[in-house]
Amino acid sequence: SQTIHQWPATLVQPVGSPLSLECTVEGTSNPNLYWYRQAAGRGLQLLFYSVGIGQISSEVPQNLSASRPQDRQFILSSKKLLLSDSGFYLCAWSRGSSGNTIYFGEGSWLTVV
Amino acid sequence: EDQVTQSPEALRLQEGESSSLNCSYTVSGLRGLFWYRQDPGKGPEFLFTLYSAGEEKEKERLKATLTKKESFLHITAPKPEDSATYLCAVQVYSGAGSYQLTFGKGTKLSVIP
Repeated sequence: SQTIHQWPATLVQPVGSPLSLECTVEGTSNPNLYWYRQAAGRGLQLLFYSVGIGQISSEVPQNLSASRPQDRQFILSSKKLLLSDSGFYLCAWSRGSSGNTIYFGEGSWLTVV
Repeated sequence: EDQVTQSPEALRLQEGESSSLNCSYTVSGLRGLFWYRQDPGKGPEFLFTLYSAGEEKEKERLKATLTKKESFLHITAPKPEDSATYLCAVQVYSGAGSYQLTFGKGTKLSVIP
């Protein structure tokens, strides 16, 4: 069966510090990978998605970037965090063919202070 | 612009009191409608996918239905462990072989013993 791991689960970072959230998927190959953000009172917002190694699409302009160095690894980064980057970040995956069900990780709570 | 509206925002039920959650949508070219359950501080857990009007799916006390403009999540004789936020999402074809998933803000269900 497939599993998705995301870490760290929670972190508190000062404004201007860097960020790295990591996500790995096991039990499948060539998955589509996603980063979402969930803010209080708002729906899930797609930040980035990737259909293969080194292929990243960004949905919204922002202070964040994503990378996919390996087939089942997805990383969300920032060089300098802003207060507005606080939120609940979710990594997700789906089977390689577009249009399939998206499965989510446990999420990472980021508080920028 | 694709829109997904869930109602009510919050719902309190007595244990055993059946009810329904609504997800209405305005999209062009619906490919699928997804229901997820999200517990506090966790990632969304996939429940159902519905693809065409008239389709129904069931899982334990939950049944999801789909029409051309909305979906209902019926909860029969709920138990306290059904308390969670239920998210609805619609998937549409966004061109170049890719699909876009748009989420509603969710309905927070509380089942009181």
